[in-house]
Amino acid sequence: SQQGEEDPQALSIQEGENATMNCSYKTSINNLQWYRQNSGRGLVHLILIRSNEREKHSGRLRVTLDTSKKSSSLLITASRAADTASYFCATVAGANSKLTFGKGITLSVRP
Amino acid sequence: EAGVVQSPRYKIIEKKQPVAFWCNPISGHNTLYWYLQNLGQGPELLIRYENEEAVDDSQLPKDRFSAERLKGVDSTLKIQPAELGDSAVYLCASSAFAWTASNTGELFFGEGSRLTVL
Repeated sequence: SQQGEEDPQALSIQEGENATMNCSYKTSINNLQWYRQNSGRGLVHLILIRSNEREKHSGRLRVTLDTSKKSSSLLITASRAADTASYFCATVAGANSKLTFGKGITLSVRP
Repeated sequence: EAGVVQSPRYKIIEKKQPVAFWCNPISGHNTLYWYLQNLGQGPELLIRYENEEAVDDSQLPKDRFSAERLKGVDSTLKIQPAELGDSAVYLCASSAFAWTASNTGELFFGEGSRLTVL
């Protein structure tokens, strides 16, 4: 079963624009992580935000977490064609702290 | 530093045949994971190892799937016999930490092994 649900399922933007992707989850979490996957490749960790944090930055990435709404957002500023990929949110929750991935968002950045 | 290495990258077999995937984690990473990723879906955990011990194999279909990590380093995932529905990407990942409720962090993934069952 997949706890995180990303929104939208697909996003197409012009290079230079900002991309905002959302993730909602169902149960209380320990932390939430975002990963990127280029076509035919493995997943690459982008950023981790803990349940007691509200916002984190890493380069052009900004992640927010709202535990009251059980949601997170990933903002990529000044997008580039190389940002074209699938993005997954993953939550750590439960007694066994299982890392559970959502279905992913397909981001296309047009040059 | 070398990343997580998986082989083969691609495998095509006929149903009912056996298949095996190999994974070598990042040096020093004691925790190793096998994930299954169907097309258009996120990865789903099959099994997690802490050193050579399988500490979470609740999602591994044990009637046809098996895994081993004999010396606590590289690992093999086997399917016997393969079914049409097993066509997917099998991802291996490792982490530097022991995965506990109070200690969780990033996973490093390999490129995956894409299985096609005809």
